[in-house]
Parts: sequence; C-alpha cells; structure tokens
Amino acid sequence: GAVVSQHPSRVICKSGTSVKIECRSLDFQATTMFWYRQFPKKSLMLMATSNEGSKATYEQGVEKDKFLINHASLTLSTLTVTSAHPEDSSFYICSAGGGDRLEQYFGPGTRLTVT
Amino acid sequence: GQSLEQPSEVTAVEGAIVQINCTYQTSGFYGLSWYQQHDGGAPTFLSYNALDGLEETGRFSSFLSRSDSYGYLLLQELQMKDSASYFCAVRDEVDSNYQLIWGAGTKLIIKP
Repeated sequence: GAVVSQHPSRVICKSGTSVKIECRSLDFQATTMFWYRQFPKKSLMLMATSNEGSKATYEQGVEKDKFLINHASLTLSTLTVTSAHPEDSSFYICSAGGGDRLEQYFGPGTRLTVT
Repeated sequence: GQSLEQPSEVTAVEGAIVQINCTYQTSGFYGLSWYQQHDGGAPTFLSYNALDGLEETGRFSSFLSRSDSYGYLLLQELQMKDSASYFCAVRDEVDSNYQLIWGAGTKLIIKP
C-alpha cells in the first residue's frame, strides 16, 4: 500500500502555543487528504477534508480558525493547532486518498499533549 | 442521520473463527470498508466491498448485502496478533469528495 508519513509523532506543548503537524504522501500524489482526531478507545472523528490548492472543508463543530489546514501541494498537508488548550490533547491522524482510490492510507498519527 | 453499528467488543480463542457485524444507515453508499487498528497505531486498510457478496483475502473475508445495509468481517485461524480494534466505514460522497463514515469500532480480544 501507499506510504503516508506524519511528523512529529509526539509533541508536548504549553497552553497558548501553536503546533504544526505535517502529513506527507511519499509515493503517490494525494489530491485529497483527511484529518482525524481520535480519543482513547474511541472511533476516528473526521475534522476536515482538504483538497490540494483549495480551502479545507471542515466538519460541523470543528473551528477552522483554531485548526488551520493547508494543502499546498499534492504530497503535503499541514494541520496547525493554534492557541492550544489542554482539551486539544488527542491523537491526530491524517490520511491520503480520495478520487478513484478505494482506500485511505493513514499516517502513523501524532500524539499531542498540551500542558 | 448517518450511523454505523458494530459490537463494541468480541472475544474469541486463538485458532478459531470470528465474525464482526456492521449495519449502516447512511444517506449515500459507495462501498463498505474495514480497517484494523492496533493500540497506539494508525488504522490500516483490510478490505472493501462495493457489490454484494464475499471478498476473500487470505485469512480475512468481508461480506456485503446492500439490500440489508449489512456487512461483516470474518477472521479465520485467529492469531494473537489479530488482537486489535476493527472499524467498518461506509464510503460516501460529500460535497464532491469521497469520505469515510466510521463505525465506533469493535475491540477483538483473543485468548490463548
């Protein structure tokens, strides 16, 4: 299957700071990337869908000014958590896919802890 | 609303066969996918059914009945490494994008 990398794998930051998470598709051009959030022992919650070169589509209840998504190229999408709060602590996972691809390929995830 | 129902937990014995069911209610439907997720890891794709019937891939098989809005994942010759959470997900089109609508996941516990 395709390879998607995510960086960093773990990050600890202080309240009020911003954190950027990168998601890269290493061996195919991802026209669409998805950002998920997952709480312990829960399902994946789709935060937003991002298409290369256009604005991301956010799911209901997800603050677009807090979770900034940029999909500037076919291989890179970034999620920036701005003014992080402890309640933003979670496991963030990106995936690449869309179009004719039947499956989504997931990055290894980023565990964010806000102190 | 959109919903997928699957059991929260299933327990089975090593070497046995287990079936994880999934029923769905979604506005659109392009196919049913199954993903495996080990603790602390990311989901990995297992199978996809767009048409009715059984798809077999090694020890894993997946079934779909669109008329019943139902599918299942069948795992045979269970191994301890199969202990994980299994998610069913419906592929739907939303705003010209294909998205996955996820079930809550089934934790599979395998005993020796």
